Amino acid sequence: AQSVTQLDSHVSVSEGTPVLLRCNYSSSYSPSLFWYVQHPNKGLQLLLKYTSAATLVKGINGFEAEFKKSETSFHLTKPSAHMSDAAEYFCVVSERTNAGKSTFGDGTTLTVKP
Amino acid sequence: DVKVTQSSRYLVKRTGEKVFLECVQDMDHENMFWYRQDPGLGLRLIYFSYDVKMKEKGDIPEGYSVSREKKERFSLILESASTNQTSMYLCASSLSRDSSYEQYFGPGTRLTVT
Repeated sequence: AQSVTQLDSHVSVSEGTPVLLRCNYSSSYSPSLFWYVQHPNKGLQLLLKYTSAATLVKGINGFEAEFKKSETSFHLTKPSAHMSDAAEYFCVVSERTNAGKSTFGDGTTLTVKP
Repeated sequence: DVKVTQSSRYLVKRTGEKVFLECVQDMDHENMFWYRQDPGLGLRLIYFSYDVKMKEKGDIPEGYSVSREKKERFSLILESASTNQTSMYLCASSLSRDSSYEQYFGPGTRLTVT
């Protein structure tokens, strides 16, 4: 069984300040982990993925995430928020068997204030 | 680039109607998935398929069925639509040879049942 908990349903930051979106996971397997972003009325876009190579994963648009097995966490960070980062973010855990069946977190809405 | 297309962006149906949602991918992916997305609940897996004519239930299969007669096409069927099936429906596909099982998403179909 696998599960994902996104610890904050809403996060608000000022433009230019750091972003931290928190994600904890549970998995019986060695999982793949993903962060997706969804802008209003748009489709899902992959930000980054972890697949058991480097524990610090760099993604698009300056985002990165660190896989911490001991803490079962995969938090998403960005050093400096931009107005265009305002969106909903989803943390996802996938089994690497069973067709890669995935479980999504409930999402975190990021607001960026000018 | 992988392309996942869904037959409609918006659909309005009446209670009790039989509804078909179609999804097509053009990259010879073995695995295909149907999710529904509701505010505050993230994406929830309805059904998935890892091969032609093969299907497995996801987390919320009740009220839905699926069909996969060809590798590139995966259909979601609402046998008798109900108002609680009003939602955004997302299709995705993935390649088994990709050890991460990264999923590629379609643009979604917003279904309203009245």
